[in-house]
Amino acid sequence: QSALTQPRSVSGSPGQSVTISCTGTSSDVGGYDYVSWYQQHPGKAPKLMIYDVSKRPSGVPDRFSGSKSGNTASLTISGLQAEDEADYYCCSYAGSSLDFGTGTKVTVL
Amino acid sequence: QVQLQESGPGLVKPSETLSLTCTVSGGSISTYYWSWIRQPPGKGLEWIGYIYYSGSTNYNPSLKSRVSISVDTSKNQFSLKLSSVTAADTAVYYCARSKTYYDILTGYSTTYYFDYWGQGTLVTVSS
Repeated sequence: QSALTQPRSVSGSPGQSVTISCTGTSSDVGGYDYVSWYQQHPGKAPKLMIYDVSKRPSGVPDRFSGSKSGNTASLTISGLQAEDEADYYCCSYAGSSLDFGTGTKVTVL
Repeated sequence: QVQLQESGPGLVKPSETLSLTCTVSGGSISTYYWSWIRQPPGKGLEWIGYIYYSGSTNYNPSLKSRVSISVDTSKNQFSLKLSSVTAADTAVYYCARSKTYYDILTGYSTTYYFDYWGQGTLVTVSS
C-alpha cells in the first residue's frame, strides 16, 4: 500500500484548462474503475469532485471531469476560476485498502 | 442534510491510545459504510479503515495491528481507537461516509468514495 503519484503543483490563468495526473499501478488505479478526486481548501475538509473515474456528484460544476488510461487517472478543470485554487487529491481502491495520491496544489495565476 | 462531527481529546501522550468518536446527524448510520481518514500537518491524506453499520470492518494494512473501529447504532455514532501512538500519529482526523450498493450475487457492498466528511479534529501526540 503506497501513495499514488501526483505532480506537486500545476497552475493556469483564469479561463484556461489544467490537468492533474494520478499515477499508480495495475494493483490500484489500473485494476479498478474506482478512482475518486477531492478538492481541499486550506483548513477545510476535502470535498468529493469526481467518483468512479468520471462521474460527477450533484452540485459539482461540469468544468470538472475525470478520465483514466492504464495506470494513470486524470482530473481536468476547464475554464479555470479563482475559487478552483486548492489542493486536489486522487484516491483509488487497491484491493484491500484505499490509497490516496500525494496531492497537487492548483494555483490560479 | 447529513452532518458528521468528530470529538475526542486533542492531546494524547506517546504510547497511549487515541480515541475519537464521530456523531452522525441528519440521517441514519444504517446501510452506509463509515471511515476514518487522517492528514498529518502539511501532508497528504491516509485512509485508516471503515466499518459497516452491522459491525464488519476493514483496516489499512499498515495500521491494522493498532486500529479498532466500532459502531453504536443506538447513538448514531462510530468510534476509532489507535493504540501505541507516537508523534507520527499527530494529524487531523476526519470521519467520512461511503454509500452502499446492492449486488444480487454478493449483497450490500461499499462504494469506494467519500461523499460526506466531518470538519476534522486535530490530535497531537506529545508528552
